[in-house]
Amino acid sequence: GQQLNQSPQSMFIQEGEDVSMNCTSSSIFNTWLWYKQDPGEGPVLLIALYKAGELTSNGRLTAQFGITRKDSFLNISASIPSDVGIYFCAGQRGSNYKLTFGKGTLLTVNP
Amino acid sequence: EAGVAQSPRYKIIEKRQSVAFWCNPISGHATLYWYQQILGQGPKLLIQFQNNGVVDDSQLPKDRFSAERLKGVDSTLKIQPAKLEDSAVYLCASKPIQETQYFGPGTRLLVL
Repeated sequence: GQQLNQSPQSMFIQEGEDVSMNCTSSSIFNTWLWYKQDPGEGPVLLIALYKAGELTSNGRLTAQFGITRKDSFLNISASIPSDVGIYFCAGQRGSNYKLTFGKGTLLTVNP
Repeated sequence: EAGVAQSPRYKIIEKRQSVAFWCNPISGHATLYWYQQILGQGPKLLIQFQNNGVVDDSQLPKDRFSAERLKGVDSTLKIQPAKLEDSAVYLCASKPIQETQYFGPGTRLLVL
């Protein structure tokens, strides 16, 4: 099955730094979602984007739905140690709300 | 509000054995999903239920995997017989109408 192209695969940053990750697809999606997964847990929704060009913030997180509907990015500002985890993008299309996930970005924050 | 519950949390079996996973979705959520997440990958949809009916099972390996949601609430996913490549985290998610999916903590399966 199709998976989205998510980059980078991993990032190692210092506490306080900003970080950016993105996701691209060859297909159009109606909704873009960003999830975070902590070790031993299921993914937790961070941000949902429903319209092309939409820019949405959730605290220190900002995400955008690309104009072409084939890409999205997530920015985290002023990172803190609890931001550590794996971040997944997911595209949603169709009346049954089927999700297609990227391979994830592993974020490590050095205190 | 209680989240999606899954059990067991961990399971170790030998190849060719059978295994079953259980999911209790959030109360009132009509849609239920089972995903397989292999190490280093994002979740991959195995099967989607709407109430007790199957909406999409196109990526379910039906020769060895089966799932049911008889009363439209709890669901079980079974693997029989298991192969080494079935080692993964099996995630259950549920969704109310026109909202996004909520995931359970997953069952970690190791096939030896």
